[in-house]
Amino acid sequence: EAGVAQSPRYKIIEKRQSVAFWCNPISGHATLYWYQQILGQGPKLLIQFQNNGVVDDSQLPKDRFSAERLKGVDSTLKIQPAKLEDSAVYLCASSLEGTLNTEAFFGQGTRLTVV
Amino acid sequence: AQKVTQAQTEISVVEKEDVTLDCVYETRDTTYYLFWYKQPPSGELVFLIRRNSFDEQNEISGRYSWNFQKSTSSFNFTITASQVVDSAVYFCALSEANRGSTLGRLYFGRGTQLTVWP
Repeated sequence: EAGVAQSPRYKIIEKRQSVAFWCNPISGHATLYWYQQILGQGPKLLIQFQNNGVVDDSQLPKDRFSAERLKGVDSTLKIQPAKLEDSAVYLCASSLEGTLNTEAFFGQGTRLTVV
Repeated sequence: AQKVTQAQTEISVVEKEDVTLDCVYETRDTTYYLFWYKQPPSGELVFLIRRNSFDEQNEISGRYSWNFQKSTSSFNFTITASQVVDSAVYFCALSEANRGSTLGRLYFGRGTQLTVWP
């Protein structure tokens, strides 16, 4: 089966610009996650969706970050305006709903550099 | 609060040596899930193993084995007869369930960089 697809793979922007990342989860996976991984650290959850509803966005900097999953399938994460400290890899993941005997499957990520 | 600690930042071994990666976790929940993920240079997190809090049976899967001990809150991972292709960053992670039936957020450790030399 196809894995989690993310685009773009790399993005370089200047501070104060805006940027958007796209994710298509594994088919049939109702739960979708966005994680931020800063160099040298483990990933940290930004937002979790179940279908098109938000389950957990407690760590999302809502003044500049937004995410949507309108049709309960693919998702977009946006940063506006970007800051230097937003430089990181943004990982999308998905998992099955309704079972705990599962794991999160990750995409290859989008590496963002803010200059 | 949930926390995962991987005290080993970097480990270097020579091919065919066994290597154990340490993981200590903190949680107040009685039901939780533990994972090991591998992150090669390509960047994708690759799932390796999962353990439920109510199942302390330790297992071996090929060259991988794990030692889950609730009494010490540890979930250590061992690679037997390491190979160069095992070189990667390894992450230990902890999760609880959302709404009782969906995997919740993963709390990751800082990772251990494993380098296997030929």
